[in-house]
Amino acid sequence: QVQLQESGPGLVKPSQTLSLTCTVSGGSISSGGYYWSWIRQHPGKGLEWIGYIYYSGSTYHNPSLKSRVTISLDKSKNQFSLKLSSVTAADTAVYYCARYTPTLDFDYWGQGTLVTVSS
Amino acid sequence: DIQMTQSPSSVSASVGDRVTITCRASQGISSWLAWYQQKPGKAPKVLIYAASSLKSGVPSRFNGSKSGTDFTLTISSLQPEDFATYYCQQGNNFPPMCSFGQGTKLEIK
Repeated sequence: QVQLQESGPGLVKPSQTLSLTCTVSGGSISSGGYYWSWIRQHPGKGLEWIGYIYYSGSTYHNPSLKSRVTISLDKSKNQFSLKLSSVTAADTAVYYCARYTPTLDFDYWGQGTLVTVSS
Repeated sequence: DIQMTQSPSSVSASVGDRVTITCRASQGISSWLAWYQQKPGKAPKVLIYAASSLKSGVPSRFNGSKSGTDFTLTISSLQPEDFATYYCQQGNNFPPMCSFGQGTKLEIK
């Protein structure tokens, strides 16, 4: 059974960089076929895809976030990470990590972590 | 970018009712459409993938279908545990991007 767990600061100051890590257990991020993904949900709102990374290191992200997003892999720790730069209050959200499958759906999700942007 | 228009935004229904939720894609996406159920404070759970394939362990009262760029999730006989918010999600291969519909909140009448 694959499990994902987000970790990182729950409070980030405006203009700083939000950094989150997702630890994967029960499966290897180095095996092909899956994209390792970040999705967020603003309070009381819908789901927004942020981006994902393939085991090869190829990344894709939501164009609406422009160049603020960096997603990386740490295969030695079976983790992947999200960095979102120049945050504002509009980046306050629950951030989820998830696995994107070859049938283009997200089958395993972390529990989500609330990140608040505030001074 | 491919946009997903989901409707209705909310629906009230009773236990035993049949409910239909629709997503329309702004352009062709083949059958790369998934449906999720989300309960308050929880991560979404995939119900249907590839437009009409039922995820393992999901009750058969959930059904997905496709007609052109319109996709439908039907719950045939609502159970108390089905009251939640539902999202569609499209996937695209080239480039590998995705997006979600706006969500439908299913409430008890």
